[in-house]
Amino acid sequence: KQEVTQIPAALSVPEGENLVLNCSFTDSAIYNLQWFRQDPGKGLTSLLLIQSSQREQTSGRLNASLDKSSGRSTLYIAASQPGDSATYLCAFLRDNYGQNFVFGPGTRLSVLP
Amino acid sequence: KAGVTQTPRYLIKTRGQQVTLSCSPISGHRSVSWYQQTPGQGLQFLFEYFSETQRNKGNFPGRFSGRQFSNSRSEMNVSTLELGDSALYLCASSLWVGNTEAFFGQGTRLTVV
Repeated sequence: KQEVTQIPAALSVPEGENLVLNCSFTDSAIYNLQWFRQDPGKGLTSLLLIQSSQREQTSGRLNASLDKSSGRSTLYIAASQPGDSATYLCAFLRDNYGQNFVFGPGTRLSVLP
Repeated sequence: KAGVTQTPRYLIKTRGQQVTLSCSPISGHRSVSWYQQTPGQGLQFLFEYFSETQRNKGNFPGRFSGRQFSNSRSEMNVSTLELGDSALYLCASSLWVGNTEAFFGQGTRLTVV
């Protein structure tokens, strides 16, 4: 069974810091990976999708990379802001035949003003 | 462009009852998938529909069922509710399957008493 870990489980940083969130999976046979954020009691907001043929995606202050061979994905947040405070989840698809994501447990981020 | 709409947002039910949750995907999206989120288990895949056909099903008992209509709207039903069914139920929609971005609704918070 595919296991997904996210490190750290929780992170508290002062505003303005650059930070890295990690996502690791035991089985490198994944198709693509998507990063989401979730505010308390809310749904998920899509941040970045790394498609099957890609290794990296960027949107504004966010950059995500995917290394299938090592089973790792990294989300980089530049110049963090209090509004970035949320739980960040990585999720991947095993194949191209469905939209049944396997989720990591998340990293809870607090950015202090 | 309207996002994914889930109704109702909150629901309180008694053990043994049944419940139906609704999800309206983004216009034009044909794939709808459902997830259960609990503090202990995180986000777990329930089932997925594409063009009214169930494509994948997660490891949940038969009390959990769903369907998709011709307009892509989807419903999930839980019969004979148990206390452990209390969770946030999230629906995701995507244009296609595989390399397409998934968008989530705000969820339905179900409490079983």
